[in-house]
Amino acid sequence: NAGVTQTPKFQVLKTGQSMTLQCAQDMNHNSMYWYRQDPGMGLRLIYYSASEGTTDKGEVPNGYNVSRLNKREFSLRLESAAPSQTSVYFCASSVTQGNQPQHFGDGTRLSIL
Amino acid sequence: EDQVTQSPEALRLQEGESSSLNCSYTVSGLRGLFWYRQDPGKGPEFLFTLYSAGEEKEKERLKATLTKKESFLHITAPKPEDSATYLCAVHSYQGGSEKLVFGKGTKLTVNP
Repeated sequence: NAGVTQTPKFQVLKTGQSMTLQCAQDMNHNSMYWYRQDPGMGLRLIYYSASEGTTDKGEVPNGYNVSRLNKREFSLRLESAAPSQTSVYFCASSVTQGNQPQHFGDGTRLSIL
Repeated sequence: EDQVTQSPEALRLQEGESSSLNCSYTVSGLRGLFWYRQDPGKGPEFLFTLYSAGEEKEKERLKATLTKKESFLHITAPKPEDSATYLCAVHSYQGGSEKLVFGKGTKLTVNP
């Protein structure tokens, strides 16, 4: 019953460093998402993949890139980390895009110094 | 602009003291409303989906209801283990674009 697995759980970077956050789901879901959660704000969508082979920008895509590696895996890359990207990042998946519940991983806590 | 507002921001209850959390929304083309529970250091955990006004869902001490402009999460005789942040999210569809808009959450603390 792993569900959505995110790695790493914690990471500290220096400004300008790059990093890839990994996400994998074992529920055979078609759609996957990346969110960030900041204090006092709701979850905000960074990128999503409605199905394998497709990716689209969400509300706050600047500074990020994504790759849908296969049906199970969806990665988020920070090419040149900035302090404003300090946040908790959540990956989620759903059966399809649309009015289906999304299931979340436990997040990656990322600090940019 | 689609908006989701949750109130109160924080709520403290005594064990057994029933109450309700509110989620009001202004969206075009509502397709569904979702309630999640989030424990500290964890990701949101799905609780309920409501699709149309008048619909109700129940799970243990929780009951979610939906009107055309808001949803309530009723907590009956809460226990300390119900302490968490409860998130509301609304799925909308407009102009060929689908999106899920989250509220900022209500932090519930239940004291023994």
